Amino acid sequence: GQNIDQPTEMTATEGAIVQINCTYQTSGFNGLFWYQQHAGEAPTFLSYNVLDGLEEKGRFSSFLSRSKGYSYLLLKELQMKDSASYLCAVRDLWNNYGQNFVFGPGTRLSVLP
Amino acid sequence: DTGVSQDPRHKITKRGQNVTFRCDPISEHNRLYWYRQTLGQGPEFLTYFQNEAQLEKSRLLSDRFSAERPKGSFSTLEIQRTEQGDSAMYLCASTIADIHYRPDEQFFGPGTRLTVL
Repeated sequence: GQNIDQPTEMTATEGAIVQINCTYQTSGFNGLFWYQQHAGEAPTFLSYNVLDGLEEKGRFSSFLSRSKGYSYLLLKELQMKDSASYLCAVRDLWNNYGQNFVFGPGTRLSVLP
Repeated sequence: DTGVSQDPRHKITKRGQNVTFRCDPISEHNRLYWYRQTLGQGPEFLTYFQNEAQLEKSRLLSDRFSAERPKGSFSTLEIQRTEQGDSAMYLCASTIADIHYRPDEQFFGPGTRLTVL
């Protein structure tokens, strides 16, 4: 089966660091993505991992361990505008094209002053 | 505006009616995806096109749902005999698959919010 788990909600303080975890079980694996989604808006791309290790992109970093089926998104120097849902998505590979994406339920992050 | 556009933005219909949504991807993007999202959940993959070919369709997708991309540009998603459980946000996303680009980043449209009464 296909399953992606993320914490439902997290709260952090402005200026702090927060780590959002994601664990996945899919029939295949062809990349893991993180998206940010503000309430009432469409998701926007944050990061992509296909090999194990850390990808850094400004205040955002994402880590992947394929053997553990685990990823995290690290947000540094939190700002109020970072309050949003963070979606973990795995590109599955259950047929030759490997372009079907399985999204997690999202983690709603609240940044407090 | 050169982003992904969707029409209509909102649709209210009665149970049993048919509805059709349109998505216009970013012009040079050859891959187009449809998703459904309900409140508090992540997007659920429905189907995927590369150019005009529908290459993947969710195993969970009812046969009341059909999608087309006749000329490899815009796409339509039709839901026949709508049910209350079809109420959701329908999102379209596009990307480009080319050796000179990272074929990874999906650009999402604003979505069509469907309410079935």
